[in-house]
Amino acid sequence: AQSVSQHNHHVILSEAASLELGCNYSYGGTVNLFWYVQYPGQHLQLLLKYFSGDPLVKGIKGFEAEFIKSKFSFNLRKPSVQWSDTAEYFCAVTTSGGYQKVTFGTGTKLQVIP
Amino acid sequence: NAGVTQTPKFQVLKTGQSMTLQCAQDMNHEYMSWYRQDPGMGLRLIHYSVGAGITDQGEVPNGYNVSRSTTEDFPLRLLSAAPSQTSVYFCASAPRGGVEQFFGPGTRLTVL
Repeated sequence: AQSVSQHNHHVILSEAASLELGCNYSYGGTVNLFWYVQYPGQHLQLLLKYFSGDPLVKGIKGFEAEFIKSKFSFNLRKPSVQWSDTAEYFCAVTTSGGYQKVTFGTGTKLQVIP
Repeated sequence: NAGVTQTPKFQVLKTGQSMTLQCAQDMNHEYMSWYRQDPGMGLRLIHYSVGAGITDQGEVPNGYNVSRSTTEDFPLRLLSAAPSQTSVYFCASAPRGGVEQFFGPGTRLTVL
């Protein structure tokens, strides 16, 4: 079974700082990778996804992620964070074929200080 | 389209009570799932369905039942609520063959 690790549980940044959130997965086969964001009091929204092709994926709100197959990683980045990026971020993975059971990481809470 | 809707938004139960969390989607998605979200544990899959009449267990199914009589609805039943079931519950749907899941707004459940 696949698993997902997010090593940063709580990150505090000042506005305009750069962001990188780590995500590592364990699975030997083909995977689909996602980053979801959950703003306070809201439901999960898709930030970006990787299925195949260019390993550098651009998402909404200036976020991007890079899939490095050799490192089993899919780190999320943003060059300059804003206060409105304060949220919890979840990395997730599905494997190919049939029903796509989604395995989520434990989440990283990002707090951006004005 | 309303997307994925869940009711109620909030619920407080006493230990031993039963209740049903409702989930509906209007996107004609075949796949539907229930997750619970707990602090520090991310989202964990409770039950899922790949179509009307077909359900299966996820990672944490104990204490919960589901049924899928229509494509649109996927209710989650708590048979005898326990404090350990205090959580936020999310329903999600996806089209057959699709990978991205669409989430509902969640139900915050407290069991006293």
